[in-house]
Amino acid sequence: QQQVKQSPQSLIVQKGGISIINCAYENTAFDYFPWYQQFPGKGPALLIAIRPDVSEKKEGRFTISFNKSAKQFSLHIMDSQPGDSATYFCAASMFPYGQNFVFGPGTRLSVLP
Amino acid sequence: DVKVTQSSRYLVKRTGEKVFLECVQDMDHENMFWYRQDPGLGLRLIYFSYDVKMKEKGDIPEGYSVSREKKERFSLILESASTNQTSMYLCASSLGEGQNANYGYTFGSGTRLTVV
Repeated sequence: QQQVKQSPQSLIVQKGGISIINCAYENTAFDYFPWYQQFPGKGPALLIAIRPDVSEKKEGRFTISFNKSAKQFSLHIMDSQPGDSATYFCAASMFPYGQNFVFGPGTRLSVLP
Repeated sequence: DVKVTQSSRYLVKRTGEKVFLECVQDMDHENMFWYRQDPGLGLRLIYFSYDVKMKEKGDIPEGYSVSREKKERFSLILESASTNQTSMYLCASSLGEGQNANYGYTFGSGTRLTVV
């Protein structure tokens, strides 16, 4: 019940295309869903996060879509750029936040020039 | 710029050695964490700490111990290194329950440990 599933494992997108990464969870107590971006040789960095009181959150080219009934959430990267090439992790947490994140296995995104 | 600093980027140790991985954060965060990252397995929590001198086991604590003598420093100890502990180790910190609303982790850049 603590698991967060993530797909695809890897993704190749042409420059300018839309990258979509999907995550699913089982534990309905989760109520904070961040995405982390990791470049080679670096630690993951918080990219964008959502609470289940909204169905979508957008920050620049990055959008999280959240479907509470399906227990699924996804990251959309619009107008994908080669600089977006990285590994993306979804995660889930419940109160008390900041103490108990469960991470998905990661998606390696490659954006071709 | 706030950050989490891990003392070594790369380490090579021999089987059976005692290994210390150090992590320091300058954000006055209450929570600190040690993860290992392996291809296809994502991030797995080894140990975490909510406060000085407090520690809690994560999902894969076997073969590891931790020390948190000061709020800003969290050390991971491999008591007797084995080849299956070859991995990328990531330290992270976050605000505690009583500290404001940013719930995200701040990660260090990682230590790639090879045990031979």
